[in-house]
Amino acid sequence: GAVVSQHPSWVICKSGTSVKIECRSLDFQATTMFWYRQFPKQSLMLMATSNEGSKATYEQGVEKDKFLINHASLTLSTLTVTSAHPEDSSFYICSASGRSGNTIYFGEGSWLTVV
Amino acid sequence: QKEVEQNSGPLSVPEGAIASLNCTYSDRGSQSFFWYRQYSGKSPELIMFIYSNGDKEDGRFTAQLNKASQYVSLLIRDSQPSDSATYLCAVSPGYSSASKIIFGSGTRLSIRP
Repeated sequence: GAVVSQHPSWVICKSGTSVKIECRSLDFQATTMFWYRQFPKQSLMLMATSNEGSKATYEQGVEKDKFLINHASLTLSTLTVTSAHPEDSSFYICSASGRSGNTIYFGEGSWLTVV
Repeated sequence: QKEVEQNSGPLSVPEGAIASLNCTYSDRGSQSFFWYRQYSGKSPELIMFIYSNGDKEDGRFTAQLNKASQYVSLLIRDSQPSDSATYLCAVSPGYSSASKIIFGSGTRLSIRP
């Protein structure tokens, strides 16, 4: 089946630095990608929706200048957390869908810890 | 009011029994409904999706949808210890995978041997 890969699976960064998380679709063209954030024991919160070649659509309350999303190709979307703070520490998950079918595939998730 | 509401649990069910998970949603325009299972520290995995009112069965799992009551449920028959996980109810305004999915906070299910 289709695979969506995230990298890195976990990362620790210093407060104030930026960190990039990649989401790749390995065997299909992902026309739409979604980025979620999940704090411990809480639900997945949709951060933004990105369509290839277009600017991402951010959910209310999500700072687009802090969470930069780039979906430059049909197989890659990146989320950059800029000037990270400890409260940004969370589990970040991407999902992707393609042109055909009606299935969404989730990546394995990326743990971010800001110290 | 949350868009998708679930009882957080934990719900404890003996092995072999039926586990019943419930979910309500606020947007009457929701068209697609999903149940995901999530193990601790892992991404969610899709168990079932349903679009029409009524029941949909897949193996030990049955999803039930009542759009008039804005209610979705998941029944797990012959519960196994491996079913112990958090179950996330999710809804989407569209029928295609290009539509965003909104998740509930999840119900923790524990199957006791």
